[in-house]
Amino acid sequence: SQQGEEDPQALSIQEGENATMNCSYKTSINNLQWYRQNSGRGLVHLILIRSNEREKHSGRLRVTLDTSKKSSSLLITASRAADTASYFCATVVMNRDDKIIFGKGTRLHILP
Amino acid sequence: EPEVTQTPSHQVTQMGQEVILRCVPISNHLYFYWYRQILGQKVEFLVSFYNNEISEKSEIFDDQFSVERPDGSNFTLKIRSTKLEDSAMYFCASSEIWGDEKLFFGSGTQLSVL
Repeated sequence: SQQGEEDPQALSIQEGENATMNCSYKTSINNLQWYRQNSGRGLVHLILIRSNEREKHSGRLRVTLDTSKKSSSLLITASRAADTASYFCATVVMNRDDKIIFGKGTRLHILP
Repeated sequence: EPEVTQTPSHQVTQMGQEVILRCVPISNHLYFYWYRQILGQKVEFLVSFYNNEISEKSEIFDDQFSVERPDGSNFTLKIRSTKLEDSAMYFCASSEIWGDEKLFFGSGTQLSVL
């Protein structure tokens, strides 16, 4: 089973709508990060939320973390065509800072 | 903005051949990683490296794999005898701080083993 699992696996929404992606994990973590990957490219860091934080904002991004449920969500508001990409959560396992584990990702497609 | 560079962008090799994938991390970063991604699938951790030593490695990183920082700038991943299932996109990443900081990824090397 995966340390980080995103759902849904794929999401298509109309431009201008909000997109919500979820991530669940299994072990205690130091922090959780979200990355974006455009097709065939490297991953780009979006936002980091620490285990003692519950919510964080960055521009149109809003991340929540619920450590009791071992889950996080990424909300992209007012989506744009350029937001079309795969989104991955990555967890830094507590006391295992040397191993950052990625999930399978959510493929987001913004329809014009 | 500083970036991680990887070469080559594509590598085609015959099964059983050795390949070396090269990475130049961001100059003031101290922590280095290799990940791989089979087409459309999850990003898999291979190895982390600090202070000229492997810090952690996954089950994928068997005796056929090795990493090296041969000089002050390059960080390489060697696969001694490639298998068909090694075909994947290989990403190098670096960070300034251990685990508590974002990773900077290169654009990847697409390895095709024939």
